[in-house]
Amino acid sequence: GQQLNQSPQSMFIQEGEDVSMNCTSSSIFNTWLWYKQDPGEGPVLLIALYKAGELTSNGRLTAQFGITRKDSFLNISASIPSDVGIYFCANRPNNAGNMLTFGGGTRLMVKP
Amino acid sequence: SAVISQKPSRDICQRGTSLTIQCQVDSQVTMMFWYRQQPGQSLTLIATANQGSEATYESGFVIDKFPISRPNLTFSTLTVSNMSPEDSSIYLCSVRARSNSPLHFGNGTRLTVT
Repeated sequence: GQQLNQSPQSMFIQEGEDVSMNCTSSSIFNTWLWYKQDPGEGPVLLIALYKAGELTSNGRLTAQFGITRKDSFLNISASIPSDVGIYFCANRPNNAGNMLTFGGGTRLMVKP
Repeated sequence: SAVISQKPSRDICQRGTSLTIQCQVDSQVTMMFWYRQQPGQSLTLIATANQGSEATYESGFVIDKFPISRPNLTFSTLTVSNMSPEDSSIYLCSVRARSNSPLHFGNGTRLTVT
């Protein structure tokens, strides 16, 4: 149904490497959201996507809204230690309402 | 964006007791929500806090266990009642200023039940 399948669950990379993570669902969505949660804090919105095929950047982060509207990708280029955290995709169940459903998260660890 | 203050930031509680978590926003917001994040897990919506009326609970969550108040447009409380170790989680308040504005989160309350 509305489950968001996020992968990978975790990544341990070297500083400077690029990172890619994705989120898929069997449902079609009108938006895709990507959040980051730093340790000990609440999630913060990174990027919001509103149109199939849309590619949006926020600094070293780039996210794409899949053409099928069932998936989205988040890429981080030239990772740095402060990129450490948990990245979540999120969406509105049934494309309506004001609450969000979250993917399982990708835990990113960066080795200096 | 709205500034969200949650209290307490963390607590260690005994089994069988109750804890009330407060969420204060620095501006009036349309929507307030409470999420739970179990250790190493994603966020799960507990309920929507409705101003002046009973909260709307998601499947698996009930008012007797998680009573919620929202007396005005800037404040809400979540109580975790009759706690057990399984209630050990981070509880997060989130708000949406208007219907289509982004969802913002507080820093959460880290609860440990012994």
